[in-house]
Amino acid sequence: EAGVVQSPRYKIIEKKQPVAFWCNPISGHNTLYWYRQNLGQGPELLIRYENEEAVDDSQLPKDRFSAERLKGVDSTLKIQPAELGDSAVYLCASSPQGTNTEAFFGQGTRLTVV
Amino acid sequence: SQQGEEDPQALSIQEGENATMNCSYKTSINNLQWYRQNSGRGLVHLILIRSNEREKHSGRLRVTLDTSKKSSSLLITASRAADTASYFCATEGGKLIFGQGTELSVKP
Repeated sequence: EAGVVQSPRYKIIEKKQPVAFWCNPISGHNTLYWYRQNLGQGPELLIRYENEEAVDDSQLPKDRFSAERLKGVDSTLKIQPAELGDSAVYLCASSPQGTNTEAFFGQGTRLTVV
Repeated sequence: SQQGEEDPQALSIQEGENATMNCSYKTSINNLQWYRQNSGRGLVHLILIRSNEREKHSGRLRVTLDTSKKSSSLLITASRAADTASYFCATEGGKLIFGQGTELSVKP
């Protein structure tokens, strides 16, 4: 069974440019998370979807970040415009239903803003 | 913002020794989970303990949960060099929130 797939693995962009990350969760998983992880720290939740509905986006900086999950499957996370402080690893995870079970993580996208 | 706080931040031991990591949290939870992250990789789920459980085992892993003290511990017995990684606790109380992690180094 394929795991959570993220692309790209690495991305280098100049500040003020837009960037997008893509995530394909495990088939059948209704819950999808986006986390941001800074070096030496734990993942910070950005947004959680249940099917196509964003049920928790309280930590998403909505002035520059946006996310969507069309048809309750794949998801994209966008930053526009990117700032230097956005450099981090962006992790996508999925779980079968809700937060009461283990989450399966993708390999992440390492973003460097220069 | 993180809820769980791991202690110690870093731990260095010899192969064969036991490693103990602690996690403290602030609010009520439904369950607590432990994850491992190898350098440059995604997180891998290790074990989940529910709020009505006090202890759980999985192979060389032993997890305890004390809801009255709002704390949990992860014990890795007979450690191996391959156990070298960062370990995170994550509390679930409606959302899955991670701590800052413990960086474990096991020297051969």
